[in-house]
Amino acid sequence: EAGVAQSPRYKIIEKRQSVAFWCNPISGHATLYWYQQILGQGPKLLIQFQNNGVVDDSQLPKDRFSAERLKGVDSTLKIQPAKLEDSAVYLCASSLEGAGGQNEQFFGPGTRLTVL
Amino acid sequence: AQSVTQPDIHITVSEGASLELRCNYSYGATPYLFWYVQSPGQGLQLLLKYFSGDTLVQGIKGFEAEFKRSQSSFNLRKPSVHWSDAAEYFCAVGERGSARQLTFGSGTQLTVLP
Repeated sequence: EAGVAQSPRYKIIEKRQSVAFWCNPISGHATLYWYQQILGQGPKLLIQFQNNGVVDDSQLPKDRFSAERLKGVDSTLKIQPAKLEDSAVYLCASSLEGAGGQNEQFFGPGTRLTVL
Repeated sequence: AQSVTQPDIHITVSEGASLELRCNYSYGATPYLFWYVQSPGQGLQLLLKYFSGDTLVQGIKGFEAEFKRSQSSFNLRKPSVHWSDAAEYFCAVGERGSARQLTFGSGTQLTVLP
């Protein structure tokens, strides 16, 4: 079974530039998550999709971050314009919503963003 | 809102020694609990999980964890550490409900000495 795919793996940009990350979840997984992991911290949820609808985006800085999952499969996360404090690893995860909500999430390798 | 505390930022053990990583959580009901491991440049891999039932949970790579409701803890243990266990370990609590989100602790970095 293929895992969660993410690209690119690394990205270096200058502040005020824009950047986009792509995620392809495990086939059949209805729920997709984007996390931000700053160095030395645990992952923090940015946005959660159920199929192509947003479940929770309360921690997404909407003035600069946006995300979409148009066909309920793969997803893109965009930052425009980027700030120095956006330097982090962006992790995508997916889960299969089974009975009882046993929310085991499977994570991709992440995209490491450096903003100069 | 739920929260997770991992009080040890960094732990160093010798290869072959036993290991215990601490995790305390705050949640209004019985939570879902998870331990993930992250190696450099890698995503998070699930070690084990607790949903209900037996409070001693067995995971992959010889790890186990014990859910103690009275202490709000879910400590991770391994009787004999291998050099390949060096990594960062994250404890997480999951909601029981429609959102089913995970809240992670800040992680414990494990160094294994030869």
